[in-house]
Amino acid sequence: GEDVEQSLFLSVREGDSSVINCTYTDSSSTYLYWYKQEPGAGLQLLTYIFSNMDMKQDQRLTVLLNKKDKHLSLRIADTQTGDSAIYFCAERLTGGGNKLTFGTGTQLKVEL
Amino acid sequence: EPEVTQTPSHQVTQMGQEVILRCVPISNHLYFYWYRQILGQKVEFLVSFYNNEISEKSEIFDDQFSVERPDGSNFTLKIRSTKLEDSAMYFCASTSGGIGRGDEQFFGPGTRLTVL
Repeated sequence: GEDVEQSLFLSVREGDSSVINCTYTDSSSTYLYWYKQEPGAGLQLLTYIFSNMDMKQDQRLTVLLNKKDKHLSLRIADTQTGDSAIYFCAERLTGGGNKLTFGTGTQLKVEL
Repeated sequence: EPEVTQTPSHQVTQMGQEVILRCVPISNHLYFYWYRQILGQKVEFLVSFYNNEISEKSEIFDDQFSVERPDGSNFTLKIRSTKLEDSAMYFCASTSGGIGRGDEQFFGPGTRLTVL
């Protein structure tokens, strides 16, 4: 079955890099996503990576995918206070329709 | 920029009552979804809908739940007889079904359902 896990909290200083980690169990993922949820708001897609890629960079965001270890990470460079939010990784499976399976979410707190 | 909208933003109901949560997906999208997030827990898939029928549903989506696209714009989730454990944030999402941006699912802001 699908299971996606993340650490619950991460605290960083403004200007530092943040690395949010995610592990998943199902190797038949097609796309893996990172969503951001600010308080009281919906889920905003930040970036995604296709399962045959190892890395994707999008401005301050870098996604690394280790298929062997089923490990996905999101690195945010030069973290700002506006990056404080909950970050969810999600996977979409081959043959799994279009549904997304979400991780537990990581609360990122950026301190001055 | 087009967006998914949901109404109401907060719904309070008594246990056993019926509720209808409403969503307006992005106009040219073809696939529609409901997810829910119980406070402090992960976002869980409920149901997907395509071509006027359910394409997939989770174990959570039992006989108490139903979805409908009554016209060309709205997509609704009905809970027939609410239970305390239905209290959650309910998110609607839609996608065009294309491959752009990883077939991004656009999420609405959510409806917070509180069952008393």
